[in-house]
Amino acid sequence: DAGVIQSPRHEVTEMGQEVTLRCKLISGHNSLFWYRQTMMRGLELLIYFNNNVPIDDSGMPEDRFSAKMPNASFSTLKIQPSEPRDSAVYFCASSLGGSRNIQYFGAGTRLSVL
Amino acid sequence: AQRVTQPEKLLSVFKGAPVELKCNYSYSGSPELFWYVQYSRQRLQLLLRHISRESIKGFTADLNKGETSFHLKKPFAQEEDSAMYYCALSTQGGSEKLVFGKGTKLTVNP
Repeated sequence: DAGVIQSPRHEVTEMGQEVTLRCKLISGHNSLFWYRQTMMRGLELLIYFNNNVPIDDSGMPEDRFSAKMPNASFSTLKIQPSEPRDSAVYFCASSLGGSRNIQYFGAGTRLSVL
Repeated sequence: AQRVTQPEKLLSVFKGAPVELKCNYSYSGSPELFWYVQYSRQRLQLLLRHISRESIKGFTADLNKGETSFHLKKPFAQEEDSAMYYCALSTQGGSEKLVFGKGTKLTVNP
């Protein structure tokens, strides 16, 4: 298995543009997590899904952010419109579910909003 | 609310010296604790978790409920241990989400 796959690896966009980040889970995993990493705030959980259902989206910064799981193996995180303060590294992770299970991380998407 | 504190943003030691990365947590129940590591140009990955009581790459961590700590230790640091280390907490039997500390960047000098 290639592990959790994120695309694109790097994204540079202008303020106001829509940005879509993509994540493919490890086959057989049923939980999906989106994180944002910044120097100031470290690694923050934005939202997580279990069996395609959003369980906790309390970390989503505002209405400009949305996440979906159209099927069991794929997720998107969309920012519309993007702002310079959204610049960060975005990670997704998947797991078998349950509080004791290991989360496996993707390589991340480095987003720069100019 | 759950919280994880890693008091040192940066830690620098010499090769062969002991190293301890501190982690304190705030949670009223029984926690599950993890250490994740991110080596340069690699993805974040699990190093160890307290329920396994194992030693990985020479690292150990003991959960001290009295002091609410889960410090990561290694008696003899190696240059390849240089990385970013994150302590994380999840609530046993509850939500599976992880709360991460802000991380400690460990540099092991030759």
